Amino acid sequence: DGGITQSPKYLFRKEGQNVTLSCEQNLNHDAMYWYRQDPGQGLRLIYYSQIVNDFQKGDIAEGYSVSREKKESFPLTVTSAQKNPTAFYLCASAQGPGGLYEQYFGPGTRLTVT
Amino acid sequence: DAKTTQPPSMDCAEGRAANLPCNHSTISGNEYVYWYRQIHSQGPQYIIHGLKNNETNEMASLIITEDRKSSTLILPHATLRDTAVYYCIAVPSGNTPLVFGKGTRLSVIA
Repeated sequence: DGGITQSPKYLFRKEGQNVTLSCEQNLNHDAMYWYRQDPGQGLRLIYYSQIVNDFQKGDIAEGYSVSREKKESFPLTVTSAQKNPTAFYLCASAQGPGGLYEQYFGPGTRLTVT
Repeated sequence: DAKTTQPPSMDCAEGRAANLPCNHSTISGNEYVYWYRQIHSQGPQYIIHGLKNNETNEMASLIITEDRKSSTLILPHATLRDTAVYYCIAVPSGNTPLVFGKGTRLSVIA
């Protein structure tokens, strides 16, 4: 089956630790995105990549880092510099850049930092 | 990008049509109207999009006013599984990423 996988579904970390969230897609999509969602809120864009080896900051990139070394993979690292890392993290991919290409979302990773 | 305004919540009886409004009075000529929905604790799912004409697919219908300042997403026969947050987004052509607002929380009631 084609799709996007995110792992793990739930992740618990101690404050001060970096943590990397996985996102893999086998849809052969060029563009990939990371969003953060807090309770009762909409999605906020963290980083996006329109092509391999290139990525851009979204609206809330501070405290996060990404890499795009392979087309199918776009891992997100939540660093200790992120002040409020506890949130629901969603990864998405699309055939091309921009919003006109339908985005396909993964199931999400719920990160809790204590 | 045009900002969209949606009511925070709506209820709909099961089996009835759900009509979700969206205001986008500042939309420009090259911006499309896209709808996504997010069922609790899942990733959003694309529903439908349009530019000027009304559109219909297997999930929903999209009615866009002639002046394009507002639109309505119609779920013709709502079921309990349609309970979700529905996002209306104005999307320009080009490489600009999607911007999600808070959407409308639709509760379908048995």
